[in-house]
Amino acid sequence: SQQGEEDPQALSIQEGENATMNCSYKTSINNLQWYRQNSGRGLVHLILIRSNEREKHSGRLRVTLDTSKKSSSLLITASRAADTASYFCATVYGNNRLAFGKGNQVVVIP
Amino acid sequence: EPEVTQTPSHQVTQMGQEVILRCVPISNHLYFYWYRQILGQKVEFLVSFYNNEISEKSEIFDDQFSVERPDGSNFTLKIRSTKLEDSAMYFCASSEGLYFGTSNREQYFGPGTRLTVT
Repeated sequence: SQQGEEDPQALSIQEGENATMNCSYKTSINNLQWYRQNSGRGLVHLILIRSNEREKHSGRLRVTLDTSKKSSSLLITASRAADTASYFCATVYGNNRLAFGKGNQVVVIP
Repeated sequence: EPEVTQTPSHQVTQMGQEVILRCVPISNHLYFYWYRQILGQKVEFLVSFYNNEISEKSEIFDDQFSVERPDGSNFTLKIRSTKLEDSAMYFCASSEGLYFGTSNREQYFGPGTRLTVT
C-alpha cells in the first residue's frame, strides 16, 4: 500500500534558520501532500504537489518531488517560533484515502 | 473561514461501553472521513462516507465501528464496545469532492477527539 514515510527526524533550529524534512513513498502517486499538526490540534493542509510537478512554493514553504526516487522534501525558510509543530507527508490512494507518514517534529527556538 | 468541528474534545469511557464521536463537516462538503492516531503512531484512515453510505473503509474499521449522518450537518462515529486499544485521537475530515481536475481534493481536518478507554 502507498505510505508516506518521513525520515524520522526531530529538528531543533533557531528562529530565522531553514528547516528541511524528507519523505519517501513506495508506489506511484497522483499527488503528495504535506500537513502540519500543532501539539494537541488537528491537521492543517499545507501544500499539494502533483506527480507532474517537480517543485512548488507557497509563502515560506518549498516542496520538491522526485518521482524517480519516490521522495519529496519540505523546506521552511526563515523559520518562526510559530512553525513549531509536527509535519507529515501523505500520499493518496483509493478514493481520496490519505496515508500519512510518522511525522517530523520541528522545534523553532526564539 | 469555515472549519470542521468535533465534540467532545476529550472523552473518557470504560471498556465495553459505547461511544459516539461527533463531527460537523464544512457545510458545502460532500465527502467525510474519519482517521485515528494512536499516541506516538501514524494517522490512520478509518472510513470515508459519501451520499449517505460508506465509500471506503480500512481493515481497522470492523463491526465495532459505524458511521452515520443523522441530519444535514452532523457526521458521527460510533464504537459499540470500546477496547483499551481504541484509545486514540480521532480526527474527522471533509472535502468538497474527490478530485479537482486530475488531483485529489484537499481534506480539511477537525481538531480531534481524544478518546481514553480505561
